[in-house]
Amino acid sequence: DGGITQSPKYLFRKEGQNVTLSCEQNLNHDAMYWYRQDPGQGLRLIYYSQIVNDFQKGDIAEGYSVSREKKESFPLTVTSAQKNPTAFYLCASSDGTGADRQPQHFGDGTRLSIL
Amino acid sequence: GDSVTQMEGPVTLSEEAFLTINCTYTATGYPSLFWYVQYPGEGLQLLLKATKADDKGSNKGFEATYRKETTSFHLEKGSVQVSDSAVYFCALETSGSRLTFGEGTQLTVNP
Repeated sequence: DGGITQSPKYLFRKEGQNVTLSCEQNLNHDAMYWYRQDPGQGLRLIYYSQIVNDFQKGDIAEGYSVSREKKESFPLTVTSAQKNPTAFYLCASSDGTGADRQPQHFGDGTRLSIL
Repeated sequence: GDSVTQMEGPVTLSEEAFLTINCTYTATGYPSLFWYVQYPGEGLQLLLKATKADDKGSNKGFEATYRKETTSFHLEKGSVQVSDSAVYFCALETSGSRLTFGEGTQLTVNP
């Protein structure tokens, strides 16, 4: 089945460590996104990429980094500069442009906690 | 900038009750509007969408109408079930494929 796979489902990080969250899609979508969700809040955009080898900062990019070397993969690194990394992270993808753009399709998320 | 405001939750209903979750938005241009649903421990699933004024999105008994004059996209269902218990997010998309989400509304349906 086509979809988005996020791994791992749960992730623990020690203070001062970088950690990378995986996001893989087999939907052949051009655009991919990373969101952060905190309890009782909506989703906030961290980074997004509309095409391979290109990405843009979202609303809360500080302390995060991404790469888009392959169309199907968009890993997110949470660096030690992110002071409050504990959250639920969601990856999404979409395809099409303008009026033909399709709604974003989401993975099941990774829950990151600080030890 | 763009923003979405949802009615504050949580909302608790009995099975077969009528559901309304209010959503209003502020945006430049002509956004597309969405309702997503999130079940515990999962990602978001698209529930319905509308891309222009007066469009009505519908799915699984849920409906929402794009009202440009009131900048609203309220979610309704005539008879909720226990399985509808989840968090519901209203969202808008303008140019550039970026989504702006509301805070989410927790719905609990009791038997």
